[in-house]
Amino acid sequence: DAGVIQSPRHEVTEMGQEVTLRCKPISGHDYLFWYRQTMMRGLELLIYFNNNVPIDDSGMPEDRFSAKMPNASFSTLKIQPSEPRDSAVYFCASTRAGGSYEQYFGPGTRLTVT
Amino acid sequence: TQLLEQSPQFLSIQEGENLTVYCNSSSVFSSLQWYRQEPGEGPVLLVTVVTGGEVKKLKRLTFQFGDARKDSSLHITAAQPGDTGLYLCAGGSNYKLTFGKGTLLTVNP
Repeated sequence: DAGVIQSPRHEVTEMGQEVTLRCKPISGHDYLFWYRQTMMRGLELLIYFNNNVPIDDSGMPEDRFSAKMPNASFSTLKIQPSEPRDSAVYFCASTRAGGSYEQYFGPGTRLTVT
Repeated sequence: TQLLEQSPQFLSIQEGENLTVYCNSSSVFSSLQWYRQEPGEGPVLLVTVVTGGEVKKLKRLTFQFGDARKDSSLHITAAQPGDTGLYLCAGGSNYKLTFGKGTLLTVNP
């Protein structure tokens, strides 16, 4: 079975540009999580969804960040406008209800904002 | 806000040595997970512990959950170069996880 799929794997953009990160969770998983990882702050939860509905977005740093999950097999994380301090690796993870709470992570998107 | 502190932050040892890394919090967690992350990849779950005082073994890795469910340790016996990676602990309340910053382990041949 395919794991969590993220695209692009690498993104380099200029400050002020819009960035869209994409995620396809594992089929049958009904929870989807977006994380950001930096050396300084470690792995931080940004937002998570259950059955396509956002449950907790308290980790979203500011209004420049938005996330959507239009269906069970696709989610996006958008940054508009992007800033150099947004440079990080962004991970998507999924899990299914009633399991052991194990989260399955994608390979991440390395974002660099110049 | 629940925080998890991991120590040491960095650890470099020789193949065959034993080591222990720690994960501590002032908060109680309903479960605690350990993940390993290799460069360029996402974290991969090693174990979940749920009961205070619980000990789980995974080959040369031994995981312990503190009696009060606020801390955990990971002990590796006879470390191998393949054990190299970032070890992350994560405390859970239902499906929401809080991660520590990790211990970066390097095992030299």
